[in-house]
Amino acid sequence: DQQVKQNSPSLSVQEGRISILNCDYTNSMFDYFLWYKKYPAEGPTFLISISSIKDKNEDGRFTVFLNKSAKHLSLHIVPSQPGDSAVYFCAASGDNYGQNFVFGPGTRLSVLP
Amino acid sequence: EAQVTQNPRYLITVTGKKLTVTCSQNMNHEYMSWYRQDPGLGLRQIYYSMNVEVTDKGDVPEGYKVSRKEKRNFPLILESPSPNQTSLYFCASSSPGAANTEAFFGQGTRLTVV
Repeated sequence: DQQVKQNSPSLSVQEGRISILNCDYTNSMFDYFLWYKKYPAEGPTFLISISSIKDKNEDGRFTVFLNKSAKHLSLHIVPSQPGDSAVYFCAASGDNYGQNFVFGPGTRLSVLP
Repeated sequence: EAQVTQNPRYLITVTGKKLTVTCSQNMNHEYMSWYRQDPGLGLRQIYYSMNVEVTDKGDVPEGYKVSRKEKRNFPLILESPSPNQTSLYFCASSSPGAANTEAFFGQGTRLTVV
């Protein structure tokens, strides 16, 4: 059973609009969450993270929201750009070492010009 | 340039023929791991290593071996590959002491076992 779920395999958004990618998790021990972006033929690259002591973290056009009671996090991209088209993975960690990440299946975002 | 380097990028092999995928990082990271990516399943951890000579199983270790004789290298060994190991493999490294605890990934190795 997947501990980290991304229920939308794909998402299409118009350039300039907001993209919202969702992630749900089942393990209440998770306390650190990350988003990775992956382009074809490349490895995943880190985008943004959030610790469980926060409910929001912003970095430029990217904001991650965490709702611990709902075990839900979301990534907002505003405004969306064609270069944001990629697969986005949500990842979570809960071990003391903080290095073992459980990844979701990914959401493919297409930003249309 | 800080990077994780995997080789080869692409590999086609036959069932049962032993192979090794190399991984090297130049960031002096203590922690390294291997993942496989399969459609609909995301990245699943195969093995990880918290430091030299310390390795442990991840979520899907069956059919794989690893070693960590040096801090920078973490090869993935398939002693007798089978078709169900056809996948996209990623090596990653990280340092728990870093301000941002994210993993840096290699570019991936696409393995096909026929």
